[in-house]
Amino acid sequence: QMQLQESGPGLVKPSETLSLTCTVSGDSISSYYWSWIRQPPGKGLEWIGYIYFSGATNYNPSLKSRVTISRDTSKNQFSLKLSSVTAADTAVYYCARGGSAWSLDYWGQGTLVPVSS
Amino acid sequence: QSALTQPPSASGSPGQSVTISCTGTSSDVGGYNSVSWYQQHSGKAPKLMIYEVSKRPSGVPDRFSGSKSGNTASLTVSGLQAEDEADYYCSSYAGSNNVVFGGGTKLTVL
Repeated sequence: QMQLQESGPGLVKPSETLSLTCTVSGDSISSYYWSWIRQPPGKGLEWIGYIYFSGATNYNPSLKSRVTISRDTSKNQFSLKLSSVTAADTAVYYCARGGSAWSLDYWGQGTLVPVSS
Repeated sequence: QSALTQPPSASGSPGQSVTISCTGTSSDVGGYNSVSWYQQHSGKAPKLMIYEVSKRPSGVPDRFSGSKSGNTASLTVSGLQAEDEADYYCSSYAGSNNVVFGGGTKLTVL
């Protein structure tokens, strides 16, 4: 059974780097592609980026200068780093598996990351 | 890339049908058959309901259907049920390995 679980600090200070990890069970991250998406409180979804089965990455142009997605195949995990955060980066962060035609077919439960001093 | 345009709200009575639109451009919705729809209940993660414009994942009721005409995609929910009340988001491939979401539509079952 496919499961994804986000983990990371519950609070990040402005100007610091937000770091999250997604642990995948039921599938290998060396297959398919894997994504991060975020949702500010009360607002819509925003795609952050992908890491492909090859290890290549692609990012939302609006976040590209601050985002890094990486993976640890030995732990079956992939990670998100978002630098120089501000209050505008406060959101629920989701990890998900990429399915057919750029869909996202399995999602983690999400984790709220407030940015506050 | 700009967000796809969805109506903020939609509603219908139990048993009725409701259609939610998702308007983009020829660079995203109109250019690719890569439109997806997600259902999100309050406080929960999104769930994939439609992919490749009109395909349903296993387990999604056939009351949910998708279509596309030009730069506008649509999600139709037939035979509305109370459990269909949720937020719905569309997404589309936008070229250059990018994806864009719509702003979301809150569906209310009256």
